[in-house]
Amino acid sequence: GAGVSQSPSNKVTEKGKDVELRCDPISGHTALYWYRQSLGQGLEFLIYFQGNSAPDKSGLPSDRFSAERTGGSVSTLTIQRTQQEDSAVYLCASSLVAGGQANNYGYTFGSGTRLTVV
Amino acid sequence: QKEVEQNSGPLSVPEGAIASLNCTYSDRVSQSFFWYRQYSGKSPELIMSIYSNGDKEDGRFTAQLNKASQYVSLLIRDSQPSDSATYLCARGSTLGRLYFGRGTQLTVWP
Repeated sequence: GAGVSQSPSNKVTEKGKDVELRCDPISGHTALYWYRQSLGQGLEFLIYFQGNSAPDKSGLPSDRFSAERTGGSVSTLTIQRTQQEDSAVYLCASSLVAGGQANNYGYTFGSGTRLTVV
Repeated sequence: QKEVEQNSGPLSVPEGAIASLNCTYSDRVSQSFFWYRQYSGKSPELIMSIYSNGDKEDGRFTAQLNKASQYVSLLIRDSQPSDSATYLCARGSTLGRLYFGRGTQLTVWP
């Protein structure tokens, strides 16, 4: 597609429920990244995919968080047993090049999923 | 965030002035640097990238990079109220991941 697409744009869920967030990167972008941003805070790195593998998942805050990417394209971030502290905007980004001294193109971000846990 | 430091601001300048945003980083091997603009309630958008020492100009924006001092800056000339946003500095890495600063909030008042 023309841009990075994320769905849903907003999600309200009850504490303890599981949620799935979806990201569809720009066609041909091999690298995909998940970040989250709490209100008034900076970007918190979660996980990075190169193709279907995740060489860096160091930012996942707990084992309730998992992510996968299939076909080198769409990625799903799953949060199990949601907690109120999971409330944030979850941002997905993709880039054309990753690795080496690359990523010369920077990221393109999606519009995000605003997750509210009540 | 600890690897990329930005003045947290907020920075407030009058319309027409030059806004100067600064960023330092700790990883000497970084080769690529980026400035993103984030309007309130929106996602970050890439506005400048710079890879070589010196200045890079794009319209009213100038990015400056000094690798010896591990310093990158963004100048916005003839600032407009529409430039009011949070500006994020980022450096690249060997794995392709970007490391972001916490951002500097800029307000341009008429």
